[in-house]
Amino acid sequence: DQQVKQNSPSLSVQEGRISILNCDYTNSMFDYFLWYKKYPAEGPTFLISISSIKDKNEDGRFTVFLNKSAKHLSLHIVPSQPGDSAVYFCAASPGSSNTGKLIFGQGTTLQVKP
Amino acid sequence: EPEVTQTPSHQVTQMGQEVILRCVPISNHLYFYWYRQILGQKVEFLVSFYNNEISEKSEIFDDQFSVERPDGSNFTLKIRSTKLEDSAMYFCASRDGTGGYQPQHFGDGTRLSIL
Repeated sequence: DQQVKQNSPSLSVQEGRISILNCDYTNSMFDYFLWYKKYPAEGPTFLISISSIKDKNEDGRFTVFLNKSAKHLSLHIVPSQPGDSAVYFCAASPGSSNTGKLIFGQGTTLQVKP
Repeated sequence: EPEVTQTPSHQVTQMGQEVILRCVPISNHLYFYWYRQILGQKVEFLVSFYNNEISEKSEIFDDQFSVERPDGSNFTLKIRSTKLEDSAMYFCASRDGTGGYQPQHFGDGTRLSIL
């Protein structure tokens, strides 16, 4: 099941610079997309979401961009901080599901170097 | 801030034994979920629960699995006869479900090890 795919297993950036995490999907019926952050030995923590009818959503240092024609979304973190070092999961909610279940990507490990 | 709590954090069980994983969702939430993550793999949806019944389940959620909300606060996942391949992190999540789209909030998980 490759409906949500994060092709980069890892990303390393310098503190203060921009981090861009990418996610591709195949199902055009997804109605919401979410990003979660996960530290070791903790559960995923919700970061930001975007509805399929929007193309951008911003919350502080975090911005998510959605390109429906390309079936691609990205998470921008500006400026990146060492505390942002974690695994980032892209997730999507199928519109056909009335329960809001999530389908996750494989995750990208972000390392922010001081 | 309210959070989802899961117990135990680590469960070691012999193959063939029954195991119950426990979760206390956020108190005013209406939707409850179980996910699992096998080491090195994706987080996978198992089951959702709403209005005291299963609302959706995945192919993984076969007859060996069951869920229950025995009282107003707990939400449990039972695996009847565990197999080696059930070894994974199991995450419970809950969602408000009212007033527009609300994201799921996850607990810290239970690491299940089957010997």
